[in-house]
Amino acid sequence: AQKVTQAQTEISVVEKEDVTLDCVYETRDTTYYLFWYKQPPSGELVFLIRRNSFDEQNEISGRYSWNFQKSTSSFNFTITASQVVDSAVYFCALSVTGNQFYFGTGTSLTVIP
Amino acid sequence: GAGVSQSPSNKVTEKGKDVELRCDPISGHTALYWYRQSLGQGLEFLIYFQGNSAPDKSGLPSDRFSAERTGGSVSTLTIQRTQQEDSAVYLCASSAGQRGWTEAFFGQGTRLTVV
Repeated sequence: AQKVTQAQTEISVVEKEDVTLDCVYETRDTTYYLFWYKQPPSGELVFLIRRNSFDEQNEISGRYSWNFQKSTSSFNFTITASQVVDSAVYFCALSVTGNQFYFGTGTSLTVIP
Repeated sequence: GAGVSQSPSNKVTEKGKDVELRCDPISGHTALYWYRQSLGQGLEFLIYFQGNSAPDKSGLPSDRFSAERTGGSVSTLTIQRTQQEDSAVYLCASSAGQRGWTEAFFGQGTRLTVV
């Protein structure tokens, strides 16, 4: 069975602080993809990143970075120098067969100005 | 179109009535997904289409729920005899890949309220 756990339900940080959102996944498949999505107050999910199981290289995109570690089945997301516009719910997701994306329950991030 | 379009954006219906929710995926995307998001909750998978076929309907919560896709494009999710527990935001997504290994792009959702 596939499962994604986002243990942090809500996080609050002060603007310009760094914040890391945790994601732990479970699957017995050796080929899979991991994703992060952002859901701002407007409600539409916005795709942030995709990573396949064979590529453990970390990735940086501006203030965003992702740390993929197969040894701990984790795919954590760090926002550096957070901004108010980063306030949103962030979802981690796993895809194995492609029939569905398995989403975590989301982490609500509030950045306080 | 440029993105996934869903209509209506909001729907209020009386308990027991049928509703139809529409999804227009990104042109050329072969995979289409329906998810449901209840207030403050995560995303619950409903159904997956590849072309016009639905190889995975495992998430449909009851036989009151059905969905179809025509022409490999537009999809309609139908809920018969709506119940209050059906109130949620219904999200549609599409992706270009056949195995879900490409990212899915989501519409803005249809907020369904059953009164």
